[in-house]
Amino acid sequence: RKEVEQDPGPFNVPEGATVAFNCTYSNSASQSFFWYRQDCRKEPKLLMSVYSSGNEDGRFTAQLNRASQYISLLIRDSKLSDSATYLCVVNMYTGNQFYFGTGTSLTVIP
Amino acid sequence: ETGVTQSPTHLIKTRGQQVTLRCSSQSGHNTVSWYQQALGQGPQFIFQYYREEENGRGNFPPRFSGLQFPNYSSELNVNALELDDSALYLCASSPEVNYGYTFGSGTRLTVV
Repeated sequence: RKEVEQDPGPFNVPEGATVAFNCTYSNSASQSFFWYRQDCRKEPKLLMSVYSSGNEDGRFTAQLNRASQYISLLIRDSKLSDSATYLCVVNMYTGNQFYFGTGTSLTVIP
Repeated sequence: ETGVTQSPTHLIKTRGQQVTLRCSSQSGHNTVSWYQQALGQGPQFIFQYYREEENGRGNFPPRFSGLQFPNYSSELNVNALELDDSALYLCASSPEVNYGYTFGSGTRLTVV
């Protein structure tokens, strides 16, 4: 079983739509969680951290469910510029060892 | 504040050769990790260095090795290159445990 799993998509949604991505992780002792965004042929960039209480940054909302071992990302009012691959990242063990999911591809259509 | 810089940006090597990739971490960051990203996949953790010591390793063979220097810059060395080593190699630095990483733009290695 992979340490971090996410639906690769692709998700094709119209502008203005709401879209949600989920990601599950295997190690219940995981300490920190993030969502990264990666544009084609570019490096991943930190989108937001995921806190136990859930957190919001503009149109983006991230949530963590420790009991079920998954994190989620909700994007409201999708923009064309949101088109990218979204990677969930989990700090699996002690230390700063991050494990990435395979990424979920999102295309926002005009 | 400079970000994470990697060199070279592109590299072509022949199977069996050795390669060294370099990374300068963001100012103030003492933790560096290296990742391998194959096409269509998420980055795979190779290893991490913290204050010049290896601080964790993913599922990569010993021919993948690294170094971190006193200024926190880092090298990734790969010996006996195989065709499957062709990938984007990403370096990422972080200031503290559990903080998000800042990535460099990567080195694209092609093994022929």
